[in-house]
Amino acid sequence: DTAVSQTPKYLVTQMGNDKSIKCEQNLGHDTMYWYKQDSKKFLKIMFSYNNKELIINETVPNRFSPKSPDKAHLNLHINSLELGDSAVYFCASSRLGGLGDTQYFGPGTRLTVL
Amino acid sequence: AQTVTQSQPEMSVQEAETVTLSCTYDTSESDYYLFWYKQPPSRQMILVIRQEAYKQQNATENRFSVNFQKAAKSFSLKISDSQLGDAAMYFCAYRSGETSGSRLTFGEGTQLTVNP
Repeated sequence: DTAVSQTPKYLVTQMGNDKSIKCEQNLGHDTMYWYKQDSKKFLKIMFSYNNKELIINETVPNRFSPKSPDKAHLNLHINSLELGDSAVYFCASSRLGGLGDTQYFGPGTRLTVL
Repeated sequence: AQTVTQSQPEMSVQEAETVTLSCTYDTSESDYYLFWYKQPPSRQMILVIRQEAYKQQNATENRFSVNFQKAAKSFSLKISDSQLGDAAMYFCAYRSGETSGSRLTFGEGTQLTVNP
């Protein structure tokens, strides 16, 4: 009964490759997010989707492309991976108007680019 | 833009003692929400406590409570009767109340060590 799940949890790949991270939530939430946590543990928003519509698109290289096939899923595709993309990527979800739109996080995906 | 500052990169506490983690924020908004998240070594982000800015009463969740000072833009977390399992990185976060589905803005985090 995992609330927010991400796959894979670990991803090791070579520079230049293309990879995807998948996120699914079974909380019935209508808004989903991607955050990046860098090597200094700093967390920053990347994208936010509400009902499959992009509502936040931070200053992120266009090599990063989110895709939301439905309200329960938000995937992150990364093209031409670079060393600086190594980080932990968190998916989160919330319900609009519910309890301050409290965001619930997935377990994170640690991406290592070699 | 809103900013969140945690001025204590590291804190330590003896088991069963009380510790307070500091957080200040900067905003021009009147409607917002504040959160504390805990990140243990497993890296899972776990919600600890939440405070609505319009509520004067400080939020409490079992051993966790906050001291919310709206005028001072301060939101500290007090952990009572500290346990070994409380050892983690703690993040303070701000969310605007004016835009639904808006981002969380995080502080830099405070690494809490609990000594037996």
